[in-house]
Amino acid sequence: DQQVKQNSPSLSVQEGRISILNCDYTNSMFDYFLWYKKYPAEGPTFLISISSIKDKNEDGRFTVFLNKSAKHLSLHIVPSQPGDSAVYFCAASPGGGAQKLVFGQGTRLTINP
Amino acid sequence: DTGVSQDPRHKITKRGQNVTFRCDPISEHNRLYWYRQTLGQGPEFLTYFQNEAQLEKSRLLSDRFSAERPKGSFSTLEIQRTEQGDSAMYLCASSPRGRANTEAFFGQGTRLTVV
Repeated sequence: DQQVKQNSPSLSVQEGRISILNCDYTNSMFDYFLWYKKYPAEGPTFLISISSIKDKNEDGRFTVFLNKSAKHLSLHIVPSQPGDSAVYFCAASPGGGAQKLVFGQGTRLTINP
Repeated sequence: DTGVSQDPRHKITKRGQNVTFRCDPISEHNRLYWYRQTLGQGPEFLTYFQNEAQLEKSRLLSDRFSAERPKGSFSTLEIQRTEQGDSAMYLCASSPRGRANTEAFFGQGTRLTVV
């Protein structure tokens, strides 16, 4: 039972354009959501998070949107840069913290010059 | 460097052998987590510690797996009688005490290959 789903295994975007990565979840108990970025042979690196009491959180070029009624969140990166090429994981937690994160399968983002 | 440190980075072992991995969390992080990641999947939760207490274990953690955090600092994950299905990246993460809505900081992982 995949509680967190990233339905796009890959995404290709031109440099300077907006990248939109999507994530759906099924468990209503999730109340804290995170995005991680992963380069090959490295561990995941935290990007941005959002609590269920908010519907938007921004940090520089990164914005996360949460639609609780649709159980959907998205990560917007604008403008996209070549260094953004990586695998992006959506994760969710039922406890308002980092314990027992449930991850999606990941989306490989490629930024083309 | 004050990040999460894992050792070794790579381990190749023969089926049936025992292996042990070590994780040193960020100083003063009282929570420590182990995850496993297989090819094409996201990390899957295995277990977590608050200080030295192991508070939760996933059903993925069979009785061949054991994790310890004896003094509430570093942690070890041991796999006994390894099987080819144990081949994966084993990730350790830590998070600080008492703060809600905080992220977990991951190490670089230990890649295990069982031949």
